Amino acid sequence: DQQVKQNSPSLSVQEGRISILNCDYTNSMFDYFLWYKKYPAEGPTFLISISSIKDKNEDGRFTVFLNKSAKHLSLHIVPSQPGDSAVYFCAASGGWGGTSYGKLTFGQGTILTVHP
Amino acid sequence: DGGITQSPKYLFRKEGQNVTLSCEQNLNHDAMYWYRQDPGQGLRLIYYSQIVNDFQKGDIAEGYSVSREKKESFPLTVTSAQKNPTAFYLCASSTEGGIPYEQYFGPGTRLTVT
Repeated sequence: DQQVKQNSPSLSVQEGRISILNCDYTNSMFDYFLWYKKYPAEGPTFLISISSIKDKNEDGRFTVFLNKSAKHLSLHIVPSQPGDSAVYFCAASGGWGGTSYGKLTFGQGTILTVHP
Repeated sequence: DGGITQSPKYLFRKEGQNVTLSCEQNLNHDAMYWYRQDPGQGLRLIYYSQIVNDFQKGDIAEGYSVSREKKESFPLTVTSAQKNPTAFYLCASSTEGGIPYEQYFGPGTRLTVT
């Protein structure tokens, strides 16, 4: 049972354009969402997060949007740069006292390629 | 520099042998985690520990064992009972007091069992 899904295995965009990576979840107990970036043969690095009490969080070129009613979040990268080419994972965690508290459930990842 | 170290980066073992993967952190984090990544799949949680001398099974704990005798260390043993041990293994840590649920990852160990 895949509780966090990234349905697009890959995404290709031109440098300078917007990249939009999508993520859907099924567990309504999730209340904190994160995006990680991963290069081959390395560990993931934290990118940006959002609490369920917000619908948008912005950090420089990266913005995460959360639509709780649709159980959907997205990561926008504007403008995209070749150095952004990596695998992007979304992850979710539950609130205090829940079974998923302190644990992250990851999606399958989306390979982003930004062409110069 | 603070961080998480995993050693070795590449590990080769014969089928039927147990193997232990090392994970050390000097971030003073309370919680530590082990994940495995397979091609085309996300990270799946094997074991996690919120505090020294305590750990819980994750989603795919069968065939693995861990210990948490020190705050800084969380070794993972891949036993011969693990049916498909070849994978990329990632260790992570997090603090209860900082940004909630944000985990910091080590560089990973690629285990190949033949």
